[in-house]
Amino acid sequence: GAVVSQHPSWVICKSGTSVKIECRSLDFQATTMFWYRQFPKQSLMLMATSNEGSKATYEQGVEKDKFLINHASLTLSTLTVTSAHPEDSSFYICSATTGGRPSGANVLTFGAGSRLTVL
Amino acid sequence: AQSVAQPEDQVNVAEGNPLTVKCTYSVSGNPYLFWYVQYPNRGLQFLLKYITGDNLVKGSYGFEAEFNKSQTSFHLKKPSALVSDSALYFCAVRAPYSGAGSYQLTFGKGTKLSVIP
Repeated sequence: GAVVSQHPSWVICKSGTSVKIECRSLDFQATTMFWYRQFPKQSLMLMATSNEGSKATYEQGVEKDKFLINHASLTLSTLTVTSAHPEDSSFYICSATTGGRPSGANVLTFGAGSRLTVL
Repeated sequence: AQSVAQPEDQVNVAEGNPLTVKCTYSVSGNPYLFWYVQYPNRGLQFLLKYITGDNLVKGSYGFEAEFNKSQTSFHLKKPSALVSDSALYFCAVRAPYSGAGSYQLTFGKGTKLSVIP
């Protein structure tokens, strides 16, 4: 089945540094990838929708200059948290559709998530 | 705007007993409904979905869910719970693709299922 790989799974960084998280679709082409943020004991919050070859669409309240998303190929999207601060500490999860014309019936395949801790 | 409600933060059930995790939704048009499961420090795994057709949907690991349009519900069920079913369960809804370029999946807050040996 479809597999999405996310790396790194854990990252600790100092305040003020930038961190890049990669999301790869291993056996399918993902025209669209989604980035979510999950706080402890809470649901997933959609941050942005990433379309290959175009700018990401950010949800309201998400700072696009702080959370840089790049989707340069059909199998790779990256999320860069710039000038990270302790409040950015969270669990970040990406997901991807199995390609083709977008359909509401498409099942999203999720990565295993990346836990970011900013000291 | 679409929304999902999971009224129970936690559900406890004895191993071998049937389990139900509740979900109600609100969406314009016919809904696409999903259940995902999340194990600690992991991403979400797809369990099952309802798109159209038979209201009773069967999914992975023996789970099933029943779509009830009049009650706008999509409760997750399993006849006999296993300790390994203990996890966080998310219900999600999406409106049919509208051509607007976005087909956002809206998640409920999640329900923690604990199966007691």
